[in-house]
Amino acid sequence: GDSVTQMEGPVTLSEEAFLTINCTYTATGYPSLFWYVQYPGEGLQLLLKATKADDKGSNKGFEATYRKETTSFHLEKGSVQVSDSAVYFCALTNQAGTALIFGKGTTLSVSS
Amino acid sequence: ETGVTQSPTHLIKTRGQQVTLRCSSQSGHNTVSWYQQALGQGPQFIFQYYREEENGRGNFPPRFSGLQFPNYSSELNVNALELDDSALYLCASSLQVGGEETQYFGPGTRLLVL
Repeated sequence: GDSVTQMEGPVTLSEEAFLTINCTYTATGYPSLFWYVQYPGEGLQLLLKATKADDKGSNKGFEATYRKETTSFHLEKGSVQVSDSAVYFCALTNQAGTALIFGKGTTLSVSS
Repeated sequence: ETGVTQSPTHLIKTRGQQVTLRCSSQSGHNTVSWYQQALGQGPQFIFQYYREEENGRGNFPPRFSGLQFPNYSSELNVNALELDDSALYLCASSLQVGGEETQYFGPGTRLLVL
């Protein structure tokens, strides 16, 4: 079945460091891909999305490119801030388009 | 701020009891989905409702049921609670148009089953 694999965390960085969180997926068809962020004690917020191969989603300095050939959707940011500390989830739509399938999440901790 | 609200924020129940969780979707959104997020895990899809009918279901037993109302609100009901039902329950609303929809999540209800 469809699935998402994210790099294990936690990821610990200093402020202004470069961030990469790896995400690969297995899916039939051509799913839409998403990154969601969850701050402590809160629900999920959509960070960015891409709906077809080679699309680049971007928001608040974060970027991810839909790579069909490597089935990947890695999240990157050039300079992280303390306020970026959160749990990041990679997700895809199932074949029916009714559900999101999530990875286990990657915890990012940024220190000043 | 996604415009999706959930109530209550926290709830404690005992094994065998029944619980109802509520969600208010963004105005105009015709689709609501419910997810269960166990501690340290990603959310797992429970089911989706589109125009008040169940439109898809994940790998959850029938004791998990739902309703969607015309006023953009919805309910998740869980009967015969088990200890493993302790989790954060998230609802997400979306506008289903042409097969591409982005889901917007509420803050969740944290359920503890003792």
